[in-house]
Amino acid sequence: AQSVTQLDSQVPVFEEAPVELRCNYSSSVSVYLFWYVQYPNQGLQLLLKYLSGSTLVKGINGFEAEFNKSQTSFHLRKPSVHISDTAEYFCAVSAQNRDDKIIFGKGTRLHILP
Amino acid sequence: GAGVSQSPSNKVTEKGKDVELRCDPISGHTALYWYRQSLGQGLEFLIYFQGNSAPDKSGLPSDRFSAERTGGSVSTLTIQRTQQEDSAVYLCASSPRGGSYNEQFFGPGTRLTVL
Repeated sequence: AQSVTQLDSQVPVFEEAPVELRCNYSSSVSVYLFWYVQYPNQGLQLLLKYLSGSTLVKGINGFEAEFNKSQTSFHLRKPSVHISDTAEYFCAVSAQNRDDKIIFGKGTRLHILP
Repeated sequence: GAGVSQSPSNKVTEKGKDVELRCDPISGHTALYWYRQSLGQGLEFLIYFQGNSAPDKSGLPSDRFSAERTGGSVSTLTIQRTQQEDSAVYLCASSPRGGSYNEQFFGPGTRLTVL
């Protein structure tokens, strides 16, 4: 079975500062990894995903994430945040070539400070 | 085109009553998922459908929960004899095809409050 840990439930950061949202996963098999974002009063949408190949994945709105197999991590980064990045961010994992279940983390709420 | 829709958007019910939550996936999407989002708990997987079959029902919390999908399209999640701990936002998502590598498209959710 797979599991996801997002250690930070909330992350405050000043506008135009860099941010890193941490995600660690556990799995006995190879995985696919995802970051979804939920803006206030909106549904979840995909930010980016890692399936294979390059470990650095670029997504929408200037976000990127790096897959680190040895550390079982998939941290999300943005070099300069904007007030519009205020949202809840969910890391998710699924097993390759298995079933279709995706396991989500508990989410990290990003607060952008003016 | 139209996204995933869910109805009702809000449901308030009394403890012990049954409720039905509906999900209309994006047309042509064969995979459909139900999740429960509770405050501070993230998204909890409930069940997924490939077509009308549900290969994985392992996330259903108890036998009070059931789901069905008809015509490879609309799905209903039924909660019988609701309890206060069932209060949460129930999210539905669909995907063009099976395979966990595919993006899931989420609906706006149904907020269920059990008094």
